[in-house]
Amino acid sequence: AQTVTQSQPEMSVQEAETVTLSCTYDTSENNYYLFWYKQPPSRQMILVIRQEAYKQQNATENRFSVNFQKAAKSFSLKISDSQLGDTAMYFCAFMKPLTQGGSEKLVFGKGMKLTVNP
Amino acid sequence: EPEVTQTPSHQVTQMGQEVILRCVPISNHLYFYWYRQILGQKVEFLVSFYNNEISEKSEIFDDQFSVERPDGSNFTLKIRSTKLEDSAMYFCASRMAGAGNTIYFGEGSWLTVV
Repeated sequence: AQTVTQSQPEMSVQEAETVTLSCTYDTSENNYYLFWYKQPPSRQMILVIRQEAYKQQNATENRFSVNFQKAAKSFSLKISDSQLGDTAMYFCAFMKPLTQGGSEKLVFGKGMKLTVNP
Repeated sequence: EPEVTQTPSHQVTQMGQEVILRCVPISNHLYFYWYRQILGQKVEFLVSFYNNEISEKSEIFDDQFSVERPDGSNFTLKIRSTKLEDSAMYFCASRMAGAGNTIYFGEGSWLTVV
């Protein structure tokens, strides 16, 4: 079974600074998808960024980028120019492709609480 | 932008009562999910639904739980006889057909069992 580990339970950063959130995962699959979701105090789960394992290029989405190291099974999220609105829980998630008898579902890490201070 | 909508946003129920949580997935999506998040814990998969049947369910999804897509738009989660430990945020989610497509979540229904 796949597992996702977020070893840092909490981090804080000053506004406008850069912060990196770490995530590692364990799988025997070669093809899969990785995601970062953000959960602000409203508790909605919002997609931040996704990465396909077959792509070597790291995904970027405006101020958000990832460092995907497939051999190391590492998938960190970098937030540049942090803003107060980035304060939230951040969840790393793994999805394996559809297999017979199963379904594509997300396996989440425990999450990390990020606080951006003014 | 299309979104997954859930009702109610918050429900308080007596232990042993039946609860139905409702969801309207994004209209062109074909895969539907329920996830649960107990306060302070990680988000857990409950069930996935495709082509009018359950495609996968977790150990949490026991006989007390059921899902239904009664018409072309709604997707419901029913808990037959609620327990205190069912108190959690329940997220509905959906995605398009095709490998690896992003799963989009609703805003959640917060269930409190007293």
